Amino acid sequence: SQQGEEDPQALSIQEGENATMNCSYKTSINNLQWYRQNSGRGLVHLILIRSNEREKHSGRLRVTLDTSKKSSSLLITASRAADTASYFCATDSMNRDDKIIFGKGTRLHILP
Amino acid sequence: NAGVMQNPRHLVRRRGQEARLRCSPMKGHSHVYWYRQLPEEGLKFMVYLQKENIIDESGMPKERFSAEFPKEGPSILRIQQVVRGDSAAYFCASADVRGRDNYGYTFGSGTRLTVV
Repeated sequence: SQQGEEDPQALSIQEGENATMNCSYKTSINNLQWYRQNSGRGLVHLILIRSNEREKHSGRLRVTLDTSKKSSSLLITASRAADTASYFCATDSMNRDDKIIFGKGTRLHILP
Repeated sequence: NAGVMQNPRHLVRRRGQEARLRCSPMKGHSHVYWYRQLPEEGLKFMVYLQKENIIDESGMPKERFSAEFPKEGPSILRIQQVVRGDSAAYFCASADVRGRDNYGYTFGSGTRLTVV
């Protein structure tokens, strides 16, 4: 079953603008991870945030986590054409059943 | 470090044939995970293996699908008597116990299976 649900399903913005994607999940987690997938390619790990962390930065990426609302957001600042991809959140549950569960993703399109 | 290697990249099979997908994890990684992705969908967990052991196969269809991770060699996902509905991208990921909580999983480029 899907654990994470990304919102919106698709997003188109102008190059240079900021892109925000949200993820909601259902059960308690150990950590939450964001991945990027370019069309026809594998997934690339972007950032991992633990359940006891509230915010994390990596370059132009900023991830927040609100465990009380069971939600996370991924912000990409100053977007570039190369950021066009699908973005997935994945949760590593507190049950430690040793697998991560993915949402359906947000398809981000950066317009030139 | 070549990362997670999957082969073949593309595989075409006729209905009823067998498909064998291979995954070599990153050097030093002892955990392998297989996921299936349908077009415009997220990744669905299939099976989690460690060397010579299936740890969790809760996402595997009960029939026709099997997976192994032998002591020597790559992990193999085997689909017998393929049907059109098996057409999908199959991704393998690997992790090590200590790194997983810090660095997440490393994915291969996937095998795109087309059943004709």
